[in-house]
Amino acid sequence: QKEVEQNSGPLSVPEGAIASLNCTYSDRGSQSFFWYRQYSGKSPELIMSIYSNGDKEDGRFTAQLNKASQYVSLLIRDSQPSDSATYLCAVSSPEGGSQGNLIFGKGTKLSVKP
Amino acid sequence: DAGVTQSPTHLIKTRGQQVTLRCSPKSGHDTVSWYQQALGQGPQFIFQYYEEEERQRGNFPDRFSGHQFPNYSSELNVNALLLGDSALYLCASTWGEPSSYNEQFFGPGTRLTVL
Repeated sequence: QKEVEQNSGPLSVPEGAIASLNCTYSDRGSQSFFWYRQYSGKSPELIMSIYSNGDKEDGRFTAQLNKASQYVSLLIRDSQPSDSATYLCAVSSPEGGSQGNLIFGKGTKLSVKP
Repeated sequence: DAGVTQSPTHLIKTRGQQVTLRCSPKSGHDTVSWYQQALGQGPQFIFQYYEEEERQRGNFPDRFSGHQFPNYSSELNVNALLLGDSALYLCASTWGEPSSYNEQFFGPGTRLTVL
């Protein structure tokens, strides 16, 4: 059973701080990792994708991947109240004919306080 | 550049009824996946369509079926609705042969309520 685990939160940070969101996954064969942002009542929006160990930066967002530890994280620098949302970690594995099948965690709710 | 579209936005049905949800993929995309998201949970994969064929299926009963049309749009059908089928149904699209590397983009979803 492939699993993706996230702390449900809520994670509360002050405006301007760095928010750190974490995710672990069970399938060592996983190749692709995605972070989605979901505002309340809306659909998930893709923020970042990462495929190789290390860091990937895009604006205020940095995704970090460590395949040996089966760990992926998302850092949000200079957090803004508009970043308040649920952040979903998703993992995809090519094993067992599951290409393109995203497995999601339950999400971490982030609250950025002005 | 139109994104993924879904219809209807909201739907209310009663137990035992049947429902059809529709999805048009993002321009240039030809692979469509359907997900079910219960309240407070992450989306769960239902199935994926490419070249008008079901390529993968998640752990959902046969009451859930689908179709992809030549223009890449897709339908999700659910028969014999149960209360537990109440959820947000999401369509996601991507381009090319299904691959674990493809980024998937979600539509706005259809909120289904079963009474």
